[in-house]
Amino acid sequence: SQQGEEDPQALSIQEGENATMNCSYKTSINNLQWYRQNSGRGLVHLILIRSNEREKHSGRLRVTLDTSKKSSSLLITASRAADTASYFCATGLTFGIGTKLQVIP
Amino acid sequence: DGGITQSPKYLFRKEGQNVTLSCEQNLNHDAMYWYRQDPGQGLRLIYYSQIVNDFQKGDIAEGYSVSREKKESFPLTVTSAQKNPTAFYLCASNHFTEGTGQGNTEAFFGQGTRLTVV
Repeated sequence: SQQGEEDPQALSIQEGENATMNCSYKTSINNLQWYRQNSGRGLVHLILIRSNEREKHSGRLRVTLDTSKKSSSLLITASRAADTASYFCATGLTFGIGTKLQVIP
Repeated sequence: DGGITQSPKYLFRKEGQNVTLSCEQNLNHDAMYWYRQDPGQGLRLIYYSQIVNDFQKGDIAEGYSVSREKKESFPLTVTSAQKNPTAFYLCASNHFTEGTGQGNTEAFFGQGTRLTVV
């Protein structure tokens, strides 16, 4: 199965700052997805980027994909305390271990 | 409202018992999945099903069993053979598109069942 691995594993920032999380994977993909998980809850889908796309935006989210480097990044701009959560990338049926983001008010 | 529902939210199991976790969806999704999440860890795939009466093992199927008798339902049984069952279990579903792979559309997740062995 394909493996997504997020970096960093934990990130703490002040409200209003931008947060960047990275994901690497090992095999070719059709698309890559990012999910968010609030503590003790299920995952919520954020954005899907196809292998022929390089960048995608959704509100304050910006995702990039570099298939030559087998990597993707998720940027959250102007972070809010409510963005505090774990963020996972997924390729196929496989999820990474996630980045735990803490936004300090 | 359409969605995916897991029950119960919390479940306690005694050593040697089998327990069954429920997962129901009314999204008309073809594919359903069970994942296990341990503290500070990512999700590991237990079983998945693309169609009624068919399912495949994931990465950590040992000690678990599933059934898919109805499109809407995909219950997971944690058997006594699972030596370390304490974990957070997540069920998900999505549309399955032939030829593009199971994970290639947005997945919807339930709110999880936290299983504890006592």
